[in-house]
Amino acid sequence: QKEVEQNSGPLSVPEGAIASLNCTYSDRGSQSFFWYRQYSGKSPELIMSIYSNGDKEDGRFTAQLNKASQYVSLLIRDSQPSDSATYLCAVNLSYGGATNKLIFGTGTLLAVQP
Amino acid sequence: DGGITQSPKYLFRKEGQNVTLSCEQNLNHDAMYWYRQDPGQGLRLIYYSQIVNDFQKGDIAEGYSVSREKKESFPLTVTSAQKNPTAFYLCASRRDRADTQYFGPGTRLTVL
Repeated sequence: QKEVEQNSGPLSVPEGAIASLNCTYSDRGSQSFFWYRQYSGKSPELIMSIYSNGDKEDGRFTAQLNKASQYVSLLIRDSQPSDSATYLCAVNLSYGGATNKLIFGTGTLLAVQP
Repeated sequence: DGGITQSPKYLFRKEGQNVTLSCEQNLNHDAMYWYRQDPGQGLRLIYYSQIVNDFQKGDIAEGYSVSREKKESFPLTVTSAQKNPTAFYLCASRRDRADTQYFGPGTRLTVL
């Protein structure tokens, strides 16, 4: 079983719609969760981090965490063509600890159609 | 202007050659990381360093070597022992007592 799983997509949504990106993880001890956006040929950039169960909103982005179900998601409201990218989910087993390492999913390709 | 820089942006290597990828940060971050990204795969950890003069192997360290002589610098050498080195290499850093990692722009290595 992969440690962090994402649907590779592509996920195609029309402009202005809500894009929903999902991620599951295998280790119940995971403490922190991240969403990175990666444009083709570029490096990942951090969009959201979330540590507690529930929702966390930042502009058009909402991260949702459910530790009991080992599930984290990213919602993008009012999707724009500029949101078209690969979205990487990353999970950390420890917070600021000596073995602080991120485990990445393979990413979901989002395509926003104008 | 703070950030993480990687050089070169593109690198071509002949088989049997060692090459060194540069990673520098002026964020005063303690921890630094090297990842490799292949098409259709997630980022895989090669090496990481929590403090100067100390580093640990990641999941795919074979064929790679690193050094951490200065806090700001964490160069990665891809040796001839690495059988399939063509990939996108990403350096990241993290400040102490935090867990968010920030990435440099990457180096794309191609073996000819």
